Amino acid sequence: NAGVTQTPKFQVLKTGQSMTLQCAQDMNHEYMSWYRQDPGMGLRLIHYSVGAGITDQGEVPNGYNVSRSTTEDFPLRLLSAAPSQTSVYFCASSSLIREGFYGYTFGSGTRLTVV
Amino acid sequence: ELKVEQNPLFLSMQEGKNYTIYCNYSTTSDRLYWYRQDPGKSLESLFVLLSNGAVKQEGRLMASLDTKARLSTLHITAAVHDLSATYFCAVGYNTDKLIFGTGTRLQVFP
Repeated sequence: NAGVTQTPKFQVLKTGQSMTLQCAQDMNHEYMSWYRQDPGMGLRLIHYSVGAGITDQGEVPNGYNVSRSTTEDFPLRLLSAAPSQTSVYFCASSSLIREGFYGYTFGSGTRLTVV
Repeated sequence: ELKVEQNPLFLSMQEGKNYTIYCNYSTTSDRLYWYRQDPGKSLESLFVLLSNGAVKQEGRLMASLDTKARLSTLHITAAVHDLSATYFCAVGYNTDKLIFGTGTRLQVFP
């Protein structure tokens, strides 16, 4: 049981390049989300999905696209990378354990540098 | 807008001492999470608090939740070096989303 798998672990992009951060989970969780972590700011929600075919924006969605064609995968696309997108990105999946209680599993993170 | 404030942001403490990290949040929520993060690593779940007055303990860490005061605390008893890490609280809202605090970087020295 691998949990949440993120690839790549590290990436350097030039300004204006595009790329996709991959996230896959094997726990059959309905909910998946992407967060970015910047120094001194905790984690902030970028996009989330409540199931295949359903996505919505979080706190900081600009510059990012997502899609959810399967339950297992939730890729995050950077359309035109900017230095402000230099960050560590975490994917998380969650499921309803019981009413009002969601259990979360986080991936190991992708450290992205945009130069 | 839901805001989560953690303090202190940085905590340097001597082994054997006790201290408390505070997590205040701005709106009603019925679930509060505490995570630990080691440098360059992912987030490790420590506690989930689901009701007013909930208290959970694991080793030298104890977390509590006061939903009326919108306050959670993470108390460290007799700190040891292995507890050095960054600790985050996170508040659940709108079904499954989380708002994180800024984190408390804990450093325990001999």
